[in-house]
Amino acid sequence: QKEVEQNSGPLSVPEGAIASLNCTYSDRGSQSFFWYRQYSGKSPELIMFIYSNGDKEDGRFTAQLNKASQYVSLLIRDSQPSDSATYLCAVMNTGFQKLVFGTGTRLLVSP
Amino acid sequence: DTGVSQNPRHKITKRGQNVTFRCDPISEHNRLYWYRQTLGQGPEFLTYFQNEAQLEKSRLLSDRFSAERPKGSFSTLEIQRTEQGDSAMYLCASSLQQGAGYTFGSGTRLTVV
Repeated sequence: QKEVEQNSGPLSVPEGAIASLNCTYSDRGSQSFFWYRQYSGKSPELIMFIYSNGDKEDGRFTAQLNKASQYVSLLIRDSQPSDSATYLCAVMNTGFQKLVFGTGTRLLVSP
Repeated sequence: DTGVSQNPRHKITKRGQNVTFRCDPISEHNRLYWYRQTLGQGPEFLTYFQNEAQLEKSRLLSDRFSAERPKGSFSTLEIQRTEQGDSAMYLCASSLQQGAGYTFGSGTRLTVV
């Protein structure tokens, strides 16, 4: 079992729709969870982080965390073509030493 | 200093040659990380430093790889006797404190021919 699992996609949504990206993790002791966006050929860019169970909203982005189910998600409302990228879920391992990344989900938003 | 700087951006080398990459973190960040990313994969952890101390190395980091962070400022990652399998994007990141998210540099893309 991989430490952080994501569906590689691509996830295709029309412009204006809600994109839902999901991630599961295996380390039950993980405390911090991050979403990075990565455009093709570029480096990852931090867009959201969440530490507590529940929802955290920032603009069009909402991160959701369920530690009991070891599940993290990212919702993107009013999706735009510029949101087309790979979204990486990252989990801070027990002991807060380093981030472990999933393989990423490729999102395609069509005009 | 507005971000993490990595040099060079691209490196093409022949198999068997040595290469060295440099990373300059955000100045007030005391934690520095090296990751490697291949096409279609997420970044894979290689090693990290807190100040000048190298605290953890991945099993991915064979004896051909070495990293340093003298004086707790910039860091270098050296690969000796490069192999084609070393071709990847090498990412450097820094963070202000334990548990915080990282800021990544632009990466160094290595191609071994």
